[in-house]
Amino acid sequence: QSALTQPASVSGSPGQSITISCTGTISDVGGYNYVSWYQQHPGKAPKLIIYEVSNRPSGVSNRFSGSKSGNTASLTISGLQADDEADYYCSSYATSSTLDVVFGGGTKLTVL
Amino acid sequence: EVQLVESGGGLVKPGGSLRLSCAASGFTFSNAWMSWVRQAPGKGLECVGRIKGKNDGGTTDYAAPVKGRFTISRDDSKDTLFLQMNSLTTEDTAVYYCTTDPTGYSFDYWGQGILVTVSS
Repeated sequence: QSALTQPASVSGSPGQSITISCTGTISDVGGYNYVSWYQQHPGKAPKLIIYEVSNRPSGVSNRFSGSKSGNTASLTISGLQADDEADYYCSSYATSSTLDVVFGGGTKLTVL
Repeated sequence: EVQLVESGGGLVKPGGSLRLSCAASGFTFSNAWMSWVRQAPGKGLECVGRIKGKNDGGTTDYAAPVKGRFTISRDDSKDTLFLQMNSLTTEDTAVYYCTTDPTGYSFDYWGQGILVTVSS
């Protein structure tokens, strides 16, 4: 059982927007603005797409955006494209973890 | 361009040992915090350990499931990170990724991953 809770799957049609949630506690998501999101295509390494809740690394499309409210962080992908079909993981700084970081269980995004 | 290339994976029997290497390039390795993140087949991500950069003392931290069995080290003269894994169990079967970990809670560059299979 992962420390952060994500929906197992979400889906959307090309051009639409979808949102993936990541729920934790005050000891992680709710207490700090240190949530990251990763995209992982099948058989590939994860790729950082959002850090510190809402910041995009250089080269990441502005169709990806992040936000947070209370103990829940969210990743929104707008203008869905076929290549967005992947697994998405959130992570957060966490005082409850010996390594100060916890992951969500991952969400499979299907582009219909 | 940052590159991380893992090597040393393979099949090992329960109770056995394996040493993974990660060759780094494209950044100042000696001061970089580095982590190993693993992913069991069909499962999510788990950080197993971290080593701080030289300027921060080069200390290590480990996740509870591997503490006392896994050891992370680095050779800054060769820009290489290591993961020594001992007393392996089937639960350690996973793809192991070498990552940069500049903040201690966000992994910005990842290697391609290396498969470790623990099976009799």
